[in-house]
Amino acid sequence: GQSLEQPSEVTAVEGAIVQINCTYQTSGFYGLSWYQQHDGGAPTFLSYNALDGLEETGRFSSFLSRSDSYGYLLLQELQMKDSASYFCAVKKSGGYQKVTFGIGTKLQVIP
Amino acid sequence: GAVVSQHPSWVICKSGTSVKIECRSLDFQATTMFWYRQFPKQSLMLMATSNEGSKATYEQGVEKDKFLINHASLTLSTLTVTSAHPEDSSFYICSARVSAGGETQYFGPGTRLLVL
Repeated sequence: GQSLEQPSEVTAVEGAIVQINCTYQTSGFYGLSWYQQHDGGAPTFLSYNALDGLEETGRFSSFLSRSDSYGYLLLQELQMKDSASYFCAVKKSGGYQKVTFGIGTKLQVIP
Repeated sequence: GAVVSQHPSWVICKSGTSVKIECRSLDFQATTMFWYRQFPKQSLMLMATSNEGSKATYEQGVEKDKFLINHASLTLSTLTVTSAHPEDSSFYICSARVSAGGETQYFGPGTRLLVL
């Protein structure tokens, strides 16, 4: 089987930096993605890591360590609009390379 | 680019009726589309992988006779919830990949289904 673990809730202050961790257990690991979902909306793609290291996209960065089965999403210069749920998702090799989502971390940004 | 639409955005139906949800890739061709279900405050659960021109691949525990999936073209996949029951009430979301093996899934806006 496979599993992903991430914190259920995180609270951070506007302007600060927050890190959302994700650990996974799966066979045939191919890559780790991060998605953002606002209440009532659909998920939107944020980033993807297939190789170890840090990927930076504006205020968002994502890190992967394949040997540790661990990744994180780093959000800098937090804004109120960043309040949302953030899902890590594992992409498996083979077949149609389906993606399995974690439970999601609800981030609340406070003034 | 890479826009995915869903129709309807919400639907209320009586128990026992069938509901069809359409998922369209508007500006790209999608060989593979995915159907997810999301209950309130929970994660997205993959229901099935929809492949153009072939039968869908269902996840364990998902009844293929209850959730009928048709991927008739490279831009359209449909999910039909047959004989809907109140426990089928959920948020149904489709996604599509631009190319085989691509990293990014583009999600539709979702369809909220309420079965009375």
